[in-house]
Amino acid sequence: NAGVMQNPRHLVRRRGQEARLRCSPMKGHSHVYWYRQLPEEGLKFMVYLQKENIIDESGMPKERFSAEFPKEGPSILRIQQVVRGDSAAYFCASSSQGQGSEKLFFGSGTQLSVL
Amino acid sequence: GDSVTQMEGPVTLSEEAFLTINCTYTATGYPSLFWYVQYPGEGLQLLLKATKADDKGSNKGFEATYRKETTSFHLEKGSVQVSDSAVYFCALSQGNTGNQFYFGTGTSLTVIP
Repeated sequence: NAGVMQNPRHLVRRRGQEARLRCSPMKGHSHVYWYRQLPEEGLKFMVYLQKENIIDESGMPKERFSAEFPKEGPSILRIQQVVRGDSAAYFCASSSQGQGSEKLFFGSGTQLSVL
Repeated sequence: GDSVTQMEGPVTLSEEAFLTINCTYTATGYPSLFWYVQYPGEGLQLLLKATKADDKGSNKGFEATYRKETTSFHLEKGSVQVSDSAVYFCALSQGNTGNQFYFGTGTSLTVIP
């Protein structure tokens, strides 16, 4: 009965490289959320996806960031041409419902470090 | 827009001390309110929640009451333990707007023996 699984746990990239973060939601969950946690800041919402659809991406930077949640496989958060300011902990959460759901289950996060 | 303001940390307490972490919110309508806890190296876990005014959420000795008149949801525990050392996040959710959660900045709690 695995929870939300994120990998890798730690990711190191040099400036200009691409970062791909993966998230497998809990079994039976079709709603996925990505959050970013910067040092000394709270969790900032980035994007909310359902299977094959982006529902709300109001928290995503307009450039270099993209997210997908394909019909098969994990959700992917992709950051192109990373910069030092992208260094943060990225958390994925899932829920079994969309609107009206009141409980998110979080993964352990991916710590991205950009050198 | 909707937002959550949390008491800044870090907070250091001796074991068995009384804990209060303040949280106030700004929201339209009637949000649900939550406290999440993050232990070192882990993701967030739901600690407790309240879905309407005057509701009290409780779990593991922690309590928080949804106060609409003061737009607050302060977290309290009467006697903290070393194992309570973690980061605590206050959050709100407007279920009717796509289930987006808004989190506070988190309050780090360290309990010393």
